[in-house]
Amino acid sequence: NAGVTQTPKFRILKIGQSMTLQCAQDMNHNYMYWYRQDPGMGLKLIYYSVGAGITDKGEVPNGYNVSRSTTEDFPLRLELAAPSQTSVYFCASRPLAGGEAGELFFGEGSRLTVL
Amino acid sequence: RKEVEQDPGPFNVPEGATVAFNCTYSNSASQSFFWYRQDCRKEPKLLMSVYSSGNEDGRFTAQLNRASQYISLLIRDSKLSDSATYLCVVNVGYGNKLVFGAGTILRVKS
Repeated sequence: NAGVTQTPKFRILKIGQSMTLQCAQDMNHNYMYWYRQDPGMGLKLIYYSVGAGITDKGEVPNGYNVSRSTTEDFPLRLELAAPSQTSVYFCASRPLAGGEAGELFFGEGSRLTVL
Repeated sequence: RKEVEQDPGPFNVPEGATVAFNCTYSNSASQSFFWYRQDCRKEPKLLMSVYSSGNEDGRFTAQLNRASQYISLLIRDSKLSDSATYLCVVNVGYGNKLVFGAGTILRVKS
């Protein structure tokens, strides 16, 4: 079972370059999330989506863009990369709308370094 | 005020000890609460959901206090393998915006 797949796992960017982090899930989950985690810190929500065509900002959206054209895919685009975007990026999906259920299923993370 | 707050620790405890973590949240409309465990440089894994009535899973007990807007995690008979970072997760308001606390580091020593 693939679950949530993130690519690439590692990437080094130069300042000012752009790139897209890919995230795909095969569980038919409606809800998808992008988080970043800086060293020694918790996860910060960048963007999330409650379904195809619907996205919303999280806690730290500046410098990023997302799209959700299909249920399966939720790419995260970095425009004009900056050293402050050096982080580990986690994509997650969630099967239910809320209440007491609705576990987040995570990808293995993408480690991005901007030099 | 942060939407979700945790004491970062670290909590250094001997094997066999009982340890408790709290996590406060600011939005009274929040409805979904979870505890996740994260091992170094790995993705977080669900430890347990937090139900309104409280719930227990083996050595782990989670509680929700809506009046004071916090959730708690109690670990009894700590094992070396419990050493990790414990993250609380709360949905902010009525929607699906899931926000993590900064995490509490637990170190269990022999």
